[in-house]
Amino acid sequence: NAGVTQTPKFQVLKTGQSMTLQCAQDMNHEYMSWYRQDPGMGLRLIHYSVGAGITDQGEVPNGYNVSRSTTEDFPLRLLSAAPSQTSVYFCASSPLWTDTQYFGPGTRLTVL
Amino acid sequence: GQQLNQSPQSMFIQEGEDVSMNCTSSSIFNTWLWYKQDPGEGPVLLIALYKAGELTSNGRLTAQFGITRKDSFLNISASIPSDVGIYFCAASQGGSEKLVFGKGTKLTVNP
Repeated sequence: NAGVTQTPKFQVLKTGQSMTLQCAQDMNHEYMSWYRQDPGMGLRLIHYSVGAGITDQGEVPNGYNVSRSTTEDFPLRLLSAAPSQTSVYFCASSPLWTDTQYFGPGTRLTVL
Repeated sequence: GQQLNQSPQSMFIQEGEDVSMNCTSSSIFNTWLWYKQDPGEGPVLLIALYKAGELTSNGRLTAQFGITRKDSFLNISASIPSDVGIYFCAASQGGSEKLVFGKGTKLTVNP
């Protein structure tokens, strides 16, 4: 099993550009989530999903969209990037009704 | 919102020393977790605690779920250079899978 994979590993955007961060897992986990990690702030939940077709907002959802068309994939979309979205983004997954989340390697995003 | 207060923010220790860090909250949680993050990597789960008062070990790591369900601590015994990294506590009220994370403790081990 590859576990949780994320692409790209690094990305530089200009203000106003859009892009999609990809996340996939091959563990058949129902629960998937996106976090951002900023210095001194720990990990903050952006959006999460408890299964295909179901998504919900986390602590910091503004400026981000998600969809969950399959169990395996949970992409995160930035429609109009802003410098405040410069961060490291982590995707995680877990079986439903457990709290033991498995994290991907992260995407390091810089918005100029 | 719910917050976890993790301390200390950073620690500088000598190889072989024991380490202790803790996490507190004003809210009650039903699950406490400890993760480690190596530079450039995602967090990796170290220990999961599901019962108040529970004491669980994983090699040189020991963690406890506080009786009040509002705190947890992590101890590392006989530290080695590969223990370097950022340690995060996380907690959940269970079932909803929404984890709340502390801000991390950055550990540096001098050989």
